[in-house]
Amino acid sequence: GAVVSQHPSRVICKSGTSVKIECRSLDFQATTMFWYRQFPKQSLMLMATSNEGSKATYEQGVEKDKFLINHASLTLSTLTVTSAHPEDSSFYICSASPQGEGNTIYFGEGSWLTVV
Amino acid sequence: GNSVTQMEGPVTLSEEAFLTINCTYTATGYPSLFWYVQYPGEGLQLLLKATKADDKGSNKGFEATYRKETTSFHLEKGSVQVSDSAVYFCALVKSGGSYIPTFGRGTSLIVHP
Repeated sequence: GAVVSQHPSRVICKSGTSVKIECRSLDFQATTMFWYRQFPKQSLMLMATSNEGSKATYEQGVEKDKFLINHASLTLSTLTVTSAHPEDSSFYICSASPQGEGNTIYFGEGSWLTVV
Repeated sequence: GNSVTQMEGPVTLSEEAFLTINCTYTATGYPSLFWYVQYPGEGLQLLLKATKADDKGSNKGFEATYRKETTSFHLEKGSVQVSDSAVYFCALVKSGGSYIPTFGRGTSLIVHP
């Protein structure tokens, strides 16, 4: 199957700083990628749809100024958590779907963010 | 709108027991259906999929059949192992739309030796 990779897998940052998480499609091009947040023992919460070359589409209740998404190329989307606070600590996951695979969604490994 | 309902967990089994995790869905048209597995501390991995009615997805001993008449996609395995302990997510993607997936809440499986 297709490969989606995230980096870093774990990051610790101080309150008030910003942190960037990368999501790459390694063997296919992705015009659309999705960013999710997962709280412990809960399902995935869709945060936004990242569109290559255009603005991201955010889900209701997600602060677009806090969670900046950039999809500058067909293989890379980034999520920047700005002015991070401890309540932003979470597991962030991205996904993408290769064309021609019947809408199959492939996920990155996830990124653990801890804000101290 | 679309929705996916999974049985609540945790499901606790002894090794070599038979596993069923129920999944039913609500969607118009003919969505694609998926099962994903999440091991502790990791992302989601595609386990199997089915893209049309009566298709059977299978992988690593797990199976699920796309049943349109009952709008179900139940996950089964004949003999579970301790290494199958994980959280399992059922999901659907509506064809021809924005491809935004809809996930179930996840079912935790715990297999004891």
